[in-house]
Amino acid sequence: QSVLTQSPSASGTPGQRVTMSCSGSSSNIGTNPVNWYQQVPGMAPKFLLYNKNQRPSGVPDRFSGSQSGTSASLAISGLQSEDEAEYYCATWDDSLNGWVFGGGTKLTVL
Amino acid sequence: QVTLKESGPALVKPTQTLTLTCAFSGFSLSSFGIRVNWIRQSPGKAPQWLARIDWDDEKFYSTFLKTRLSISRDTSRNLVVLRMTNVDPADTGTYYCARERHPQQYMDVWGTGTTVTVSS
Repeated sequence: QSVLTQSPSASGTPGQRVTMSCSGSSSNIGTNPVNWYQQVPGMAPKFLLYNKNQRPSGVPDRFSGSQSGTSASLAISGLQSEDEAEYYCATWDDSLNGWVFGGGTKLTVL
Repeated sequence: QVTLKESGPALVKPTQTLTLTCAFSGFSLSSFGIRVNWIRQSPGKAPQWLARIDWDDEKFYSTFLKTRLSISRDTSRNLVVLRMTNVDPADTGTYYCARERHPQQYMDVWGTGTTVTVSS
């Protein structure tokens, strides 16, 4: 069972906006910034968002994040078929002294 | 360009010791703030963090696996090695190494992963 909790699935049609959540505790999300990763089958996770809402170079601004208290969320606007993937949240946990991940949200583009 | 590449045996038997190597380029593990992590992912599961080694040789291990893990580095050859003792079929999965930079709290560049199957 993952330390961070994510809803297992989400879906939307092309052009729509979808959001997905990540819930944790005071020792992880409550203290440290959340990062988001996108993973398509057979590939390594791709660094998507960091420090709540910062995008690495090359990530389109359709992807945005927020973080408050012990929760974080990822939003994708203008949904595209290539956004279909698994999305994971991750952060450092001060109690476990290690990185923790969410269980992942599988996004389906209908 | 920053790259990381994992390597190791594709198949190991239960109770054996698994040794994985992460060869990286484009950065130095002796530079201030550089860290290298190992993460694994069992089929159909979320990533699970295993261990980290820092620029000052400080080491961190997963609470759940720390008795079985050992991480080390060879800064002259740009290598990080992870050893896992007494493997079990539950250790089957893809193993990744990833760079992290302090004080930024993120793992930004990942290797492509190496797949390990534990089976007799």
